Amino acid sequence: AQKVTQAQTEISVVEKEDVTLDCVYETRDTTYYLFWYKQPPSGELVFLIRRNSFDEQNEISGRYSWNFQKSTSSFNFTITASQVVDSAVYFCALSELKAAGNKLTFGGGTRVLVKP
Amino acid sequence: GAGVSQSPSNKVTEKGKDVELRCDPISGHTALYWYRQRLGQGLEFLIYFQGNSAPDKSGLPSDRFSAERTGESVSTLTIQRTQQEDSAVYLCASSAIGAGGRDTQYFGPGTRLTVL
Repeated sequence: AQKVTQAQTEISVVEKEDVTLDCVYETRDTTYYLFWYKQPPSGELVFLIRRNSFDEQNEISGRYSWNFQKSTSSFNFTITASQVVDSAVYFCALSELKAAGNKLTFGGGTRVLVKP
Repeated sequence: GAGVSQSPSNKVTEKGKDVELRCDPISGHTALYWYRQRLGQGLEFLIYFQGNSAPDKSGLPSDRFSAERTGESVSTLTIQRTQQEDSAVYLCASSAIGAGGRDTQYFGPGTRLTVL
C-alpha cells in the first residue's frame, strides 16, 4: 500500500528565512507521481507541482524549489526567502500508475507559519 | 475559466439527518473525485468517477455514504443518517483524463459539514 509521511506538523519562521518541508513516501510501483499542494487559510487546495518517478531533476519555480531523491524516497520542498503569504498548510501526495484511476494518497500536512 | 465549485460552502445538520453535497467540475474534465478532510488532518480518498465507467468506491467509509455523477457533469455526495464523526470538510476535485496516475487534480473550496 502507498503511504506518504510528512514528519513536520508545524514550522514557524520569520519572514525572509528559508524553510524546507520534508516528504517521504512508500510505494511498490516503479512508476508513480508526486505532488505538492498548498492549502491557505481560505481552505482551497492549490496545485504547486507534479513530478513523475523517472524525472529526478530538481525544479525551481520562483522562490519554490523541489528536491526529488528516489534513493531515499523523498520529495522535499523549499521556500526561499519566505513571506507572510506563504503561511499555509502544505500537503505532499502520491499517485500510482493504475489504469483505473489515480486517487491521491496525502501526507498529514505541514503547517507553515511565517511571522513578519 | 471557472474552477471546481462546491455547494453549500457550509452545512450544519443534526445527527441522524441526511445531507447532500454538490460538486461542479471544471468543464471538460472527465474524472471527478471526492475526498474528506478531518480537522487538522490530511485528505482521505472517498470515491472516483471516470466517464461512464463504474466508480471506484473503495474509500467510502460506510454504506451511509453514496455518490452519483451523471455523465461528465455534476456530482452529489449523500450522507445518510449523519453521525458526529462525519463532521469534516468534503473536497471535490476534477482532472482532465483521470487514467494513469499522472493527471493533476484541481480542487474545489470544499463543503464544511458540522453534525451536531
